[in-house]
Amino acid sequence: GEDVEQSLFLSVREGDSSVINCTYTDSSSTYLYWYKQEPGAGLQLLTYIFSNMDMKQDQRLTVLLNKKDKHLSLRIADTQTGDSAIYFCALGPGRRALTFGSGTRLQVQP
Amino acid sequence: NAGVTQTPKFRVLKTGQSMTLLCAQDMNHEYMYWYRQDPGMGLRLIHYSVGEGTTAKGEVPDGYNVSRLKKQNFLLGLESAAPSQTSVYFCASSWTGTFQETQYFGPGTRLLVL
Repeated sequence: GEDVEQSLFLSVREGDSSVINCTYTDSSSTYLYWYKQEPGAGLQLLTYIFSNMDMKQDQRLTVLLNKKDKHLSLRIADTQTGDSAIYFCALGPGRRALTFGSGTRLQVQP
Repeated sequence: NAGVTQTPKFRVLKTGQSMTLLCAQDMNHEYMYWYRQDPGMGLRLIHYSVGEGTTAKGEVPDGYNVSRLKKQNFLLGLESAAPSQTSVYFCASSWTGTFQETQYFGPGTRLLVL
């Protein structure tokens, strides 16, 4: 089955850029998503990218997709303390549901 | 418009007890899902439903049953709870099951089985 891997933890200072990485094994994934989970809350869709795109920018968020290396990244510019959360990459389609990575906890230090 | 809601928010069970988790959505979505989230792991699909009256197994269905008697509700049942079912359970819904559709998540139910 699909294997999606993320690093567990990332710490940055407020105002810096954050880059969260995700690698996957199934090249047939058509849509790749980034979700944000704040403490005690459900998942919130941040952005997604089609597999035929290399980059997508949405305000402070930039998603980069390297299909050759099966690598997806999320860059958050000017990271704020409110960005502290767990970030999940997810791939679809897959059995009518998404395949999630294990999540990267982003800690933003003031 | 409340989106996706889950009841209860938190529950403690003893091994062998049963309980039902309720998920409700007011977006008229056809598809609904139940996931579990365990520490250090991503979400894993338990069961899903493609419409009222239909259910199907996901990745980790053992020990759970589901029902979709009404379009807006998706129930997850644990007939005989086990400590291995200690987890955070998330419900989600979407218009269709295709990859273009965003899944909307509820806030989660934290379950502890002693």
